[in-house]
Amino acid sequence: KNEVEQSPQNLTAQEGEFITINCSYSVGISALHWLQQHPGGGIVSLFMLSSGKKKHGRLIATINIQEKHSSLHITASHPRDSAVYICAVRSGGYMKTSYDKVIFGPGTSLSVIP
Amino acid sequence: DTAVSQTPKYLVTQMGNDKSIKCEQNLGHDTMYWYKQDSKKFLKIMFSYNNKELIINETVPNRFSPKSPDKAHLNLHINSLELGDSAVYFCASSQGSVGNYGYTFGSGTRLTVV
Repeated sequence: KNEVEQSPQNLTAQEGEFITINCSYSVGISALHWLQQHPGGGIVSLFMLSSGKKKHGRLIATINIQEKHSSLHITASHPRDSAVYICAVRSGGYMKTSYDKVIFGPGTSLSVIP
Repeated sequence: DTAVSQTPKYLVTQMGNDKSIKCEQNLGHDTMYWYKQDSKKFLKIMFSYNNKELIINETVPNRFSPKSPDKAHLNLHINSLELGDSAVYFCASSQGSVGNYGYTFGSGTRLTVV
């Protein structure tokens, strides 16, 4: 079992729908990242969270440290949101250490249909 | 004016060869990373350097050797290339090494070993 899981694995939505992508992890973390990988392969960092909630445009990311769970929400989805969304956690302590690890989830492939 | 640039973008080479991939960032970040994305699109961190010092070295074959001549550059040298090394390699940078900052990714280098 991966230390970072995402659901769903694949998601197809109609334009305008509200979308939720979930990430759960089993390790202690110092931060959680949401990344977007476009169909062309480029990767963009969307959010970095260590607590609470962040919003950027139509994207909202939340994290619940106690439940080891994070969600990425997309409001009013658009075909240009079609991409793979990847959750990544940074485990280990808050100090610079040689065993500080970054673990990626398997990604959620989102397709938004016009 | 690219923030994180990798060269080359594509690399096709024969088994047994030695090759290098270069990465440069002009963001003034102090931490740089190499990630590998395999054919199943799963991302995995390989190395992380903070101010030219190695801080993450995941279990990768010692045929892979990162070199950071200064904090703006992190190059990846691969000796004796094998078929299984075929993947997309992403360079990234961030300000700070403890995961509390977002990442900026390069556009990736697609390595094909034949």
